[in-house]
Amino acid sequence: NAGVTQTPKFRVLKTGQSMTLLCAQDMNHEYMYWYRQDPGMGLRLIHYSVGEGTTAKGEVPDGYNVSRLKKQNFLLGLESAAPSQTSVYFCASSLSLQVYEQYFGPGTRLTVT
Amino acid sequence: AQTVTQSQPEMSVQEAETVTLSCTYDTSESDYYLFWYKQPPSRQMILVIRQEAYKQQNATENRFSVNFQKAAKSFSLKISDSQLGDAAMYFCAYRSSPFMNYGGSQGNLIFGKGTKLSVKP
Repeated sequence: NAGVTQTPKFRVLKTGQSMTLLCAQDMNHEYMYWYRQDPGMGLRLIHYSVGEGTTAKGEVPDGYNVSRLKKQNFLLGLESAAPSQTSVYFCASSLSLQVYEQYFGPGTRLTVT
Repeated sequence: AQTVTQSQPEMSVQEAETVTLSCTYDTSESDYYLFWYKQPPSRQMILVIRQEAYKQQNATENRFSVNFQKAAKSFSLKISDSQLGDAAMYFCAYRSSPFMNYGGSQGNLIFGKGTKLSVKP
């Protein structure tokens, strides 16, 4: 099992460009999450999904969109990147609401210039 | 809304010594979970220890233990016999209980800002 994987690991964008971050898990987990981590801050929830075809907003959703077309994949999109979106992005998954542990991917470092 | 506060941005400990990292939280909920995550330079988030609020006994995992004070809303992490590999960022996190109808939280974790732990040889 690969666990939770994220693609790409690093990316540099220019302001206004778009991109999609891919999160994949092979543990048949129902719940998936996208967080961002900024210097001096803990992780903050962007969006999450409680199952295939469902998504919901987290604490800091503005400027991002997500999709969960397949159970194993959770995509995070930036339609028009801004320097404020420079961050490290983490994906996580958990089996169910009753299972407390979230398994994290290795992170994607995104720089917007 | 729940908040998690880690008041120590940085801590340092001598190898083989003991160190305690502080965490306080604010909530009106009666049942919840608390966690400590470790983030080494590799960036990988690793679950260190968890505590269920309904349990009075403090959780222990090998060299890691917690001091959970529910009334004071305090959740500190003690690392005994510190090792060089313990050097990392440590994050305290809160999660509402999935068995209570708090509505909308869906198992989301709320993190503190972290404490950077250095271990001196």
